[in-house]
This record gives sequence, C-alpha cells and structure tokens, in this order.
Amino acid sequence: GAVVSQHPSWVICKSGTSVKIECRSLDFQATTMFWYRQFPKQSLMLMATSNEGSKATYEQGVEKDKFLINHASLTLSTLTVTSAHPEDSSFYICSARENVPGAHWNNQPQHFGDGTRLSIL
Amino acid sequence: SQQGEEDPQALSIQEGENATMNCSYKTSINNLQWYRQNSGRGLVHLILIRSNEREKHSGRLRVTLDTSKKSSSLLITASRAADTASYLCAMRNEKLTFGTGTRLTIIP
Repeated sequence: GAVVSQHPSWVICKSGTSVKIECRSLDFQATTMFWYRQFPKQSLMLMATSNEGSKATYEQGVEKDKFLINHASLTLSTLTVTSAHPEDSSFYICSARENVPGAHWNNQPQHFGDGTRLSIL
Repeated sequence: SQQGEEDPQALSIQEGENATMNCSYKTSINNLQWYRQNSGRGLVHLILIRSNEREKHSGRLRVTLDTSKKSSSLLITASRAADTASYLCAMRNEKLTFGTGTRLTIIP
C-alpha cells in the first residue's frame, strides 16, 4: 500500500534552533500534502495545506513565518519550524493525498506519516 | 476549522466485549473516516463512509453515518487487547479535520 515516510521521528534541540521535518510519499505522487500538529491527549489540528509548486495555505492562527512549508516536488514536502521555542514542542504529523486516476479529489486516499516528536529545551 | 467531538473521551471494556464510539460534527461533509492511533504514533486508516452511505462494515468494524443528525458511530465487535488505542473520526470536506478522539482500553 501507499507509504508516507516522515523524518526525523523525533528531535530534541535548544531554543532558538530551526528544525526541518521531511515528508515523502514513497510510491505515489502527491500534489497535495498536509501538516498537522497534535498536543498530548488532544486531537490533530490542521496547520497548513501544502501544494506542489505553489505557496502553502495556512489555517487561521498558524504563523506562516514561523512554520515554513516547501513542496518542491510531487513526493516531498518539508516543514521548517524557525527559531523554535519550548511552546513549539509538539507532535507533528504529515499527510499526503494520493492522486488516484478517476477518483474525485475529495475521495482520494490520504496517507499519514508516523509523526515527528519535537522537543525544544 | 471544523472539528468533531467524540464520545466517550475514554472507554475501558473487557476483552471480548463490543466497543462503541460516537462522533458528532458541525457542517456538511463529503465523507467521514475513522482512524486508529497508537500512543505517540501516526495514524492508521480504518474505514471511510461516504455521505450517501448509511452503514459500512470491514471485518470487526461497523460504521454508521446519520447525516441528518451529523453523527457517526464506530463499533468494534469482539474486542481484543491489541485494539487498545485512540480512535479518531475525521470529516472530509475539502480538508480533512479530526475529532477529539476516544481512548479505548481493552482489559485482558
């Protein structure tokens, strides 16, 4: 089945550091990818929609200068948390929408990575 | 953005019993999906039900959808210890947004 690889799976770094998280669709092309954030014992909150070759669309309340998204190819999207601080510590999960021929885009499968646990000291 | 609410927030049952989780949402949807999440891990897709469907089965899973009440339920029959996880509903309408989740614990 379709696989989404997310790297790294966990990272610990000092406050002020910028951290890049990669999300790759391994065996399918993904025009659209999504970035979610999850706090402990809470649900996933959509941060932004990443579209290949164009600017990401951010959800209300998400700082685009803080969370830089780049989707330069059909198989790779990156999220960079710039100048990270302890309040940015969270579990970040990416997702890729598979382009299935003939399927309405709203019914296309969305596959998830295993997440990245980010801890800022 | 829309988010669903799940009920109960936590559920503990004996192995072999059935587990039912409910999800309510606010606006119209194209489809509704259920996911499983083990602690600190990514999501595993369980089942998708379209807005024009009322019930769907997959193995020990049974999902219902009532668009007039904007609600869905997930039933896991003959539960196993390995079913212990969080279960999240997700609503698809352009974006995929998630419910608050139910933490299910199966007691051996």
